[in-house]
Amino acid sequence: QKEVEQNSGPLSVPEGAIASLNCTYSDRGSQSFFWYRQYSGKSPELIMSIYSNGDKEDGRFTAQLNKASQYVSLLIRDSQPSDSATYLCAVNRYTGFQKLVFGTGTRLLVSP
Amino acid sequence: DAGITQSPRYKITETGRQVTLMCHQTWSHSYMFWYRQDLGHGLRLIYYSAAADITDKGEVPDGYVVSRSKTENFPLTLESATRSQTSVYFCASSDWGSGSSYEQYFGPGTRLTVT
Repeated sequence: QKEVEQNSGPLSVPEGAIASLNCTYSDRGSQSFFWYRQYSGKSPELIMSIYSNGDKEDGRFTAQLNKASQYVSLLIRDSQPSDSATYLCAVNRYTGFQKLVFGTGTRLLVSP
Repeated sequence: DAGITQSPRYKITETGRQVTLMCHQTWSHSYMFWYRQDLGHGLRLIYYSAAADITDKGEVPDGYVVSRSKTENFPLTLESATRSQTSVYFCASSDWGSGSSYEQYFGPGTRLTVT
């Protein structure tokens, strides 16, 4: 079992729809969770951080965390073609230092 | 505010040559990281550094060497490049201990091809 699992996709949604991206993790001791967006040929860009159970909203993005189920998700409302990218989930894990473990990403395609 | 930069952005080298990838950050972040990203593997940590003169191995350190004499610089050296080291390399930094809770910020990457 991978430490951080994501469906590779692609997840295809029409413009204006809600895109829902999911991530599960295995380490119950994880306390910090992140979503990165990576456009093709570019570097990962941090878009959301979440540390406690519940929802955190930032503009069109909402991160949801359920530590009991070891599940974190990212909702993108009013999806735009410019949201088409790979979304990486990252979870902290302590191994002598606080490292981030990344999922392999979900590719999102938003069609006009 | 340049943030975090990497050089070169693209590099082609031959098997057996030594290659150094540079990383520079202007935020004075204490932690710096080197990752490689390969299709099917995602981001894998090569080395990290908690401060100047403090470095340690990540998941895939074999064949790589790092140093950090100054807080702002964290070069990665491939001592004798192999084709399996063809990859995209990302440097990242983080200001752990200041309340930022482990957020990492990435440089633009270096695409390395070993022929």
